[in-house]
Amino acid sequence: RKEVEQDPGPFNVPEGATVAFNCTYSNSASQSFFWYRQDCRKEPKLLMSVYSSGNEDGRFTAQLNRASQYISLLIRDSKLSDSATYLCVVTRSGGSYIPTFGRGTSLIVHP
Amino acid sequence: DVKVTQSSRYLVKRTGEKVFLECVQDMDHENMFWYRQDPGLGLRLIYFSYDVKMKEKGDIPEGYSVSREKKERFSLILESASTNQTSMYLCASSSYGTGGHTDTQYFGPGTRLTVL
Repeated sequence: RKEVEQDPGPFNVPEGATVAFNCTYSNSASQSFFWYRQDCRKEPKLLMSVYSSGNEDGRFTAQLNRASQYISLLIRDSKLSDSATYLCVVTRSGGSYIPTFGRGTSLIVHP
Repeated sequence: DVKVTQSSRYLVKRTGEKVFLECVQDMDHENMFWYRQDPGLGLRLIYFSYDVKMKEKGDIPEGYSVSREKKERFSLILESASTNQTSMYLCASSSYGTGGHTDTQYFGPGTRLTVL
């Protein structure tokens, strides 16, 4: 089992739709969780950190389920500008807290 | 604004050449990372450093070495470039964060390396 797994998609949704991505991780000792966004031919940038209590930033909501070892990202009222690849990042404890990236989920929002 | 810069956006080298990729960050971050990104494989960690002169192997260190002589600079070295090292190379930096956890990573724009 891969350490961090994501459905590669693409998720093809109309503007205004709600879309959800999941990411599963295999190491139960994982410490920190993040969602990054990567636009085509650009570097990844932090979208949001994911906390045990869940967190929301505008149209974006992230949740962590430690028991089932997954994190989720919900995007409401999708915009064309949300089209990107969404990367799940899990930081494992190995003496130096090493981040591991999922392969990313591609989202295409169409008019 | 955090800035992470990489020495080249595009680089073409020949098989067997020694290649240096440089990364500089201006936020006094303790951690620095080198990744490569390939289609279908995502970002894979090559090496990282959590302090000057300290380095640790990531998931795919074979064929690479690194150097961190100054806090702001982290170099990736391909001792003898091979065609399977053709890739996008991304550098990142982060602070320690609270509780010793890795904080947000800030990425450079990447170097597209082609080895012929």
